[in-house]
Amino acid sequence: NAGVTQTPKFQVLKTGQSMTLQCAQDMNHEYMSWYRQDPGMGLRLIHYSVGAGITDQGEVPNGYNVSRSTTEDFPLRLLSAAPSQTSVYFCASRDPNEKLFFGSGTQLSVL
Amino acid sequence: EDKVVQSPLSLVVHEGDTVTLNCSYEVTNFRSLLWYKQEKKAPTFLFMLTSSGIEKKSGRLSSILDKKELFSILNITATQTGDSAVYLCAVSNTGTASKLTFGTGTRLQVTL
Repeated sequence: NAGVTQTPKFQVLKTGQSMTLQCAQDMNHEYMSWYRQDPGMGLRLIHYSVGAGITDQGEVPNGYNVSRSTTEDFPLRLLSAAPSQTSVYFCASRDPNEKLFFGSGTQLSVL
Repeated sequence: EDKVVQSPLSLVVHEGDTVTLNCSYEVTNFRSLLWYKQEKKAPTFLFMLTSSGIEKKSGRLSSILDKKELFSILNITATQTGDSAVYLCAVSNTGTASKLTFGTGTRLQVTL
């Protein structure tokens, strides 16, 4: 049982580049989300989805896009990377009992 | 806006000590409070609390919720070096998406 698979684990970008963080889950969870984690700030919600075809903004959505074409996949796109987006990113899915299952994280540096 | 405050921010204890971590919250239409442990990578689930006064227990870890005073505590008895981690508290509301709001965490270091 793979759970939540998140790739890549590490990424370095130059300012202005774009990229996509991949996230897939095999638990058939309807709810998926993306968080960023910065020192002293805790986990902050970027975008979330309550099911295929439905997405919504979280606390810090600017500079990020998401789509949910299938139940399994929830990619996060950085449109034009900025140094302020240097962070650790976590994808998570949630079961009907509200437990969040996290991916292993992506450490992103934007130079 | 929902808010979660954890204290202390960090803590250093000796192996065998008992520690208490605190989490206070403000949330519109409270649904649940969750505790997670984060070592080097992804947070892992510890407890979910929905009712006041009912202790949840798993080995040396236990947690309780007070919905009147809006806080929860996480106790760890007979600490071990493997308990060293960041402990995260989060609350969810009863909205359609039931979003989780996380605190900044308590960093616990257990020394020999």
